[in-house]
Parts: sequence; C-alpha cells; structure tokens
Amino acid sequence: GENVEQHPSTLSVQEGDSAVIKCTYSDSASNYFPWYKQELGKRPQLIIDIRSNVGEKKDQRIAVTLNKTAKHFSLHITETQPEDSAVYFCAATDSWGKLQFGAGTQVVVTP
Amino acid sequence: GAGVSQSPRYKVAKRGQDVALRCDPISGHVSLFWYQQALGQGPEFLTYFQNEAQLDKSGLPSDRFFAERPEGSVSTLKIQRTQQEDSAVYLCASSLGQGDYEQYFGPGTRLTVT
Repeated sequence: GENVEQHPSTLSVQEGDSAVIKCTYSDSASNYFPWYKQELGKRPQLIIDIRSNVGEKKDQRIAVTLNKTAKHFSLHITETQPEDSAVYFCAATDSWGKLQFGAGTQVVVTP
Repeated sequence: GAGVSQSPRYKVAKRGQDVALRCDPISGHVSLFWYQQALGQGPEFLTYFQNEAQLDKSGLPSDRFFAERPEGSVSTLKIQRTQQEDSAVYLCASSLGQGDYEQYFGPGTRLTVT
C-alpha cells in the first residue's frame, strides 16, 4: 500500500519568512496530492492540491510542487503570517480516492 | 450548502460499551470516507463507501468496528465493546467521486473510552 513520509515534524519561522514542507510517497500509481491545514481541535481543511499531470500549482502565498519521477512533493508558504500557525498534512491518494496522510508538520510563525 | 456534519461531537464511553457515530456528507457527494486520528498523528483510513456500497474496509482495526451507509447518504460508524485504544477523533469526509478526489472533512467526533 501507499506510504507517505513528511518532514520536518516541526518548523518555526519568523513572520514574513518562507516555510517549506516536504513529502515522499511510495506508490507510483498515486495521482492526487492534497495538502490540509488543521488548527487545534478543528477539522482538516484542504488548502491546495495537485494532480500528477501538473508539476507546480500556486494560489496566492501557497504553492505546491510535484516531482513524479522522484516521488516527492512539497508545500511552500511565502510571507508567513501568525495565522499560518497550524499542523499541515500532506497526503497521497490511490485510484479510489483513499487518502494516505503524512505524520504532519507543526508550523509556528513567530511575530 | 452545508458542509459535512458529524454527531455527537464528543462521546465518553465506559470500556465495553457500544457507540454509534453519525456522518452527514455534503448533499450529492457519492464517496464517503471514515478516518481515525489519534492525538498528534495524521488521520488513518478506516473505510470507504461509494453510494451505499462499502468498497474498502481494510483500515478497520478489528471486527468490533462496523460501518454502514444504507441509503447512500448518511453513514454510521459503530464500535462494539469499546476499548481504551479506541479513544481518538473519528473523522468523516466526502467527495463528489467519479474522479473528483477533493475530500471535505467533518468536524469529527472525539471518543474517549474510560
């Protein structure tokens, strides 16, 4: 089955700096890679996703890159703000849409 | 329209009790997923429905866990004879299905087994 690894487990950044989270996956058949943001006690919220036929996608301060050959994908947050503080999860899906999540990255943005 | 809803939001059960957790997906969403999230970890897949058909239940940790979606809309996750290791947040997610993979999560049910 699919195995997703995520690094780092914690990330502290100064407000205004960039944050990068990296994930690798094992199943070459995976074709959809979402990123979720989860604040304490809240539901995971989809913030951006990328499909296997695209190498990069950007939405305002958030971008995701995908390297299918190397089986890794990354989340980039630019100009970080305190409200970006949360746990971020990457995931990869099989053909049914079942998500395999990474272990999560706790991002702390300090003013 | 409304998002995915779940009830109850919190459930405390004594060890050995049965519990039933409900999920109301987004109207029209064909696919429904249940995940278990332990404290400090990522969600772990439990089971998947396409309409009323349960297509994958490989993530259910034991035969004490049972899920159904009899009319292809609301789903119930039942846990029999709860154990302390069942304590977790149970998340439900739905998607349009048919190649549309975006999953939207409910707020979860926090189950505490004492």
